[in-house]
Amino acid sequence: QSALTQPASVSGSPGQSITISCAGTHNDVGNYNLVSWYQHHPGKAPKLIIYEVTKRPSGVSNRFSGSKSGNTASLTISGLQAEDEADYHCCSYVGSRTFVVFGGGTKLTVL
Amino acid sequence: QVQLVQSGDEMKKPGASVKVSCKASGYTFTGYYMHWVRQAPGQGLEWMGWINPNSGDTHYAQKFQGRVTMTRDTSISVVYVELSNLTSNDTAVYYCARPYSSGWSDSFDSWGQGTLLSVSS
Repeated sequence: QSALTQPASVSGSPGQSITISCAGTHNDVGNYNLVSWYQHHPGKAPKLIIYEVTKRPSGVSNRFSGSKSGNTASLTISGLQAEDEADYHCCSYVGSRTFVVFGGGTKLTVL
Repeated sequence: QVQLVQSGDEMKKPGASVKVSCKASGYTFTGYYMHWVRQAPGQGLEWMGWINPNSGDTHYAQKFQGRVTMTRDTSISVVYVELSNLTSNDTAVYYCARPYSSGWSDSFDSWGQGTLLSVSS
């Protein structure tokens, strides 16, 4: 069982927007503004798309945005495209001892 | 550009050990920590620990302490993770991952291609 809770799956049609939630606790998501999100196509390496809750690495589309409220972080993908179909993992810093914990991953299907 | 190239897939029997390598290129090897993350079938990602390639210092997730060893060879820009006393629960894809920043960073912008470890009798 993963430390952070994500929905197992979400779906949307091309052009629509979807939001993936990532529920943690006051020990992780709620305690640090250090939530990151990874896009993971099967058989490939994960790709960092959001770090420090809201920041996008260079080259990542502005269709991806992150936010946080209390102990829950969220990833929103706007203008869904077929290439967005992948697994999405959230991640939160939890302190120097355990460092980071991940969610169980959410499979995004573009209908 | 940054590249992390891992060693090939492995098949091991329960009780055995495995050593996976990750060769870095395209940046100053000793300037960034390296982390190891794994993903078991149908599960989420799981952080295993980090190594400081400059000093050789390591820090392991409590779950793996006593069973995992991370090392590096600065002469060839390679980091290794060795996991001992394998069980079927260790069947997973293992990734090396470099942090986003050469300073402190909790997120990883460069990943190896993954090494599949299968543990079965």
